[in-house]
Amino acid sequence: EAQVTQNPRYLITVTGKKLTVTCSQNMNHEYMSWYRQDPGLGLRQIYYSMNVEVTDKGDVPEGYKVSRKEKRNFPLILESPSPNQTSLYFCASSLGTVNNSPLHFGNGTRLTVT
Amino acid sequence: GDSVTQMEGPVTLSEEAFLTINCTYTATGYPSLFWYVQYPGEGLQLLLKATKADDKGSNKGFEATYRKETTSFHLEKGSVQVSDSAVYFCALSVSYGQNFVFGPGTRLSVLP
Repeated sequence: EAQVTQNPRYLITVTGKKLTVTCSQNMNHEYMSWYRQDPGLGLRQIYYSMNVEVTDKGDVPEGYKVSRKEKRNFPLILESPSPNQTSLYFCASSLGTVNNSPLHFGNGTRLTVT
Repeated sequence: GDSVTQMEGPVTLSEEAFLTINCTYTATGYPSLFWYVQYPGEGLQLLLKATKADDKGSNKGFEATYRKETTSFHLEKGSVQVSDSAVYFCALSVSYGQNFVFGPGTRLSVLP
């Protein structure tokens, strides 16, 4: 089944403790992206990647890192999480070759930083 | 920059009522337009899309027509069901880089 898989689904951590949220897609998509969803603010893009070893900042990249060493994986790294990073995070992917390729989303990771 | 505006709701309807969720956009290029739906506890799923002016996207009884003259992509359904209760997002994409821009989402509740 074609899908985007994120792990974990829920994560509670403390300020400053490094964490990684994994994202993997099995559709051979070139384009991958991370979003955060907050009440009243909608979806905001954190980072995106157009292909292996190619990443770029989205609208809200501060406090996050990403890497794209393999086509299928696009982990999101929080080196020193803070409470304002408490949010619902989504990974997404698409073919990326034309602008009408839809995004496919994972089921989300709900992160709480205390 | 590019942007999407949609009615924020919440929208509450009775079963079998007619649904319209308005969406307008601003884009420097020639965008593709999308509606996504998010059911509780899940990620966003593509509902329908349109890639050029006057295209009509449709799926599961939902429709939306790409209106370039009014820069709009309103979502409609003739008869909603309780199972349509979800958050609906209008979105556009203009570039090869697939930088999607999403509206704020509209929460729809359908009562039996």
